[in-house]
Amino acid sequence: GQQVMQIPQYQHVQEGEDFTTYCNSSTTLSNIQWYKQRPGGHPVFLIQLVKSGEVKKQKRLTFQFGEAKKNSSLHITATQTTDVGTYFCAGPVNTGNQFYFGTGTSLTVIP
Amino acid sequence: DTEVTQTPKHLVMGMTNKKSLKCEQHMGHRAMYWYKQKAKKPPELMFVYSYEKLSINESVPSRFSPECPNSSLLNLHLHALQPEDSALYLCASSQIWPWGSGYEQYFGPGTRLTVT
Repeated sequence: GQQVMQIPQYQHVQEGEDFTTYCNSSTTLSNIQWYKQRPGGHPVFLIQLVKSGEVKKQKRLTFQFGEAKKNSSLHITATQTTDVGTYFCAGPVNTGNQFYFGTGTSLTVIP
Repeated sequence: DTEVTQTPKHLVMGMTNKKSLKCEQHMGHRAMYWYKQKAKKPPELMFVYSYEKLSINESVPSRFSPECPNSSLLNLHLHALQPEDSALYLCASSQIWPWGSGYEQYFGPGTRLTVT
């Protein structure tokens, strides 16, 4: 079954509001990656986190990797309509031989 | 060039047809993957090729047959598919596999397959 869960499944925000998606794995991840998939598009790599407790920023996006390396979050400040899409966390499990995507959070930004 | 290309973009096939999906990358990546994605679901890994050798088959039915003719090309041969196989089929590549190495994956635009 699915080992990497994300909440919420869907999020609607007014443009300018903040947005956060949370990712939880049932097992420890050696690293975690975040991808964005626009409607009708394909997943596009955003960032990778490797170290326990790591925080990385990309303009309005802030990514965190939990201390136990089993959870992660993506926070978007002041959302814009270009942020619309589904955000997936993903990572290797079982000594890196398998790769699971999280269940995804679909973000809608209302102008 | 950080592009993965896939052809065709759309494919409609009957349950008795044989068709192939093609994927190409010129980034020098030595790992290539096939994923299946149903609507509103995450991509699910089907096959992993590492240095042109099949390394992972995630219990995929034999009506899906992957092939890696060289380090740049990946094919997925389809035969006797079922309507429930209708989905977006994504090809991806990364520098190497396994993923513990931490290299990101580059995805192609996908082939939207409909089985009638």
